[in-house]
Amino acid sequence: QLYESGPGLVKPTETLSLTCTVSGASISNSNYLWGWIRQPPGQALEWIGTIYYRGPTWLNPSLRTRVSLSVDRARDQISLRLTSLTAADTGTYYCARATVERPGALYSGYPALYDWWGQGSQVTVS
Amino acid sequence: VLTQSPGTLALSPGDRVTLYCTASQRVPGNFLAWYQQRPGRTPRLLISDAFVRATGIPDRFSGSGSGTDFTLTIRRLDPEDFAVYYCHQYGDSLSFGGGTRLEIK
Repeated sequence: QLYESGPGLVKPTETLSLTCTVSGASISNSNYLWGWIRQPPGQALEWIGTIYYRGPTWLNPSLRTRVSLSVDRARDQISLRLTSLTAADTGTYYCARATVERPGALYSGYPALYDWWGQGSQVTVS
Repeated sequence: VLTQSPGTLALSPGDRVTLYCTASQRVPGNFLAWYQQRPGRTPRLLISDAFVRATGIPDRFSGSGSGTDFTLTIRRLDPEDFAVYYCHQYGDSLSFGGGTRLEIK
């Protein structure tokens, strides 16, 4: 199970912090990467970024200057931080597990299949 | 960039449908997945590696294709299949298509 938590409402220019708590699997498992995907209301899915528990992260170039990801191995949690929020950042934020398809994914972030998703956290920037 | 077509389809239960996903460049390893998203729900993995059905997915769903052109076929539409479908490539960084919406006619 993946469970996202965070504030439902944030103000423009502020920073969004979301946490994903993983149960039933350890984030310190080299078979998996972990990531965030978001979806504005009525729009398509957008990949935000992926992280490996040892620290490497891979970010969507369109968000790279505003996004950071981190892991807390002791708590089996991953976190997302998104700065300088605007209304365009409103949407549902999903935490997901990506199963490594090839060993090279541990160095590049792909190929890794997002096969298990959380229920999503609704975020409104207003 | 992944382009899905058509954007919207209106069909009837029992119909057969094919959805299309075209990549702007070859998808390495044919690492292409399809997800179904029902209203208000989390995306559900249907197909990975272009044609491998995920656990528990009915065999009326099938994926095919390679290189830049991929398809998802639903053999007989069930009422619960009316949803939005997304393709997703994970062979060269990651990206999602814009989705195809299946509506009941």
